[in-house]
Amino acid sequence: GENVEQHPSTLSVQEGDSAVIKCTYSDSASNYFPWYKQELGKRPQLIIDIRSNVGEKKDQRIAVTLNKTAKHFSLHITETQPEDSAVYFCAAPIQGAQKLVFGQGTRLTINP
Amino acid sequence: DTEVTQTPKHLVMGMTNKKSLKCEQHMGHRAMYWYKQKAKKPPELMFVYSYEKLSINESVPSRFSPECPNSSLLNLHLHALQPEDSALYLCASSRTSGTPSTDTQYFGPGTRLTVL
Repeated sequence: GENVEQHPSTLSVQEGDSAVIKCTYSDSASNYFPWYKQELGKRPQLIIDIRSNVGEKKDQRIAVTLNKTAKHFSLHITETQPEDSAVYFCAAPIQGAQKLVFGQGTRLTINP
Repeated sequence: DTEVTQTPKHLVMGMTNKKSLKCEQHMGHRAMYWYKQKAKKPPELMFVYSYEKLSINESVPSRFSPECPNSSLLNLHLHALQPEDSALYLCASSRTSGTPSTDTQYFGPGTRLTVL
């Protein structure tokens, strides 16, 4: 079936370093790729998204890259800060269905 | 108003109870969603409403009954739940639910449900 694979499941980095989370998807028709951040006990919040007509999008310390040929997209966080600690989910739509499929999540811990 | 709101925040119910979860948005969105999220897992889609009509039911047991009274409100009626139904129930909305889905989904804070 259609799915989204996300790696790694946990990631620990030193404050100030960069973090990269990668996702692969199976539906070649997928054309929208959001990233959500979920802090403990809170709602998932959209932090950045990318559509298939571009290969990269950046918003301050956060960037997303997309490789449609290889069917993978990545989240890059630079100059990490303690408040970046959270679970991050990638997602992709299933073509012909009105739904997003989420990756399994990455628990990111920023060590001071 | 740019938020999705949900009530109650917490709910504890017995297996014979009937309760309802409520979701509201005033962003003019015409698609609304119910998700179930277990601990340390991603949100799992349950239902999609598009223009107040149920468009997707992900084979959810009938003890969960969704309702969309108008374009701003979404309810989830609960009856005869099981302990394994305990989870965070998230509502979301998006501008539309086109095919494929490319509109940003905005999530509510969720209702933490415990079934005893």
